[in-house]
Amino acid sequence: AQSVTQPDIHITVSEGASLELRCNYSYGATPYLFWYVQSPGQGLQLLLKYFSGDTLVQGIKGFEAEFKRSQSSFNLRKPSVHWSDAAEYFCAVVRYNTNAGKSTFGDGTTLTVKP
Amino acid sequence: DGGITQSPKYLFRKEGQNVTLSCEQNLNHDAMYWYRQDPGQGLRLIYYSQIVNDFQKGDIAEGYSVSREKKESFPLTVTSAQKNPTAFYLCASSPQTGRGTGELFFGEGSRLTVL
Repeated sequence: AQSVTQPDIHITVSEGASLELRCNYSYGATPYLFWYVQSPGQGLQLLLKYFSGDTLVQGIKGFEAEFKRSQSSFNLRKPSVHWSDAAEYFCAVVRYNTNAGKSTFGDGTTLTVKP
Repeated sequence: DGGITQSPKYLFRKEGQNVTLSCEQNLNHDAMYWYRQDPGQGLRLIYYSQIVNDFQKGDIAEGYSVSREKKESFPLTVTSAQKNPTAFYLCASSPQTGRGTGELFFGEGSRLTVL
């Protein structure tokens, strides 16, 4: 069965500092990979996605992520964090071998931004 | 604007009562999903539907029921058999099933509290 691990439950960074959120997955083939962001009490919004091709993908709000097959990782990065980036971030993997497109989510990483 | 509408946003229920959460989408998506979110546990799939009049159990379907009589609508009933129903419930849709992007579009969520 596929699984997603986000090793960091909570991360605190200062405004203007760089950010990296880790995501590791377990899957028998190259999956479709996603990062979503959730503000408190809200639904999730897609930040970026990887299907194939260039392993460095750009997303909204200045985020990027790099797919590393050898490490089964899909880490999310941002060069300079803004206070409005404080939220919970979820990595997800989708499998398509069952014709269902069901997503499996990591447990999330909560980002706190210090002024 | 196109999107997913969940209602109610907040719901209180006494033990032993069934409640139904509404989910409507006008994105013309084929697939719809219900997720449950608990603190520190990410999102867990309850039910999903790929086409009208068909749906499948997810990972935690016990104590829940759904219907898919229209493409736009996918209501979730939390029955009295669900032992721990207090949670945040998220509805999502996806443009294609079995192929395509796999991206999920989420509603704003419904918070159910059992008194």
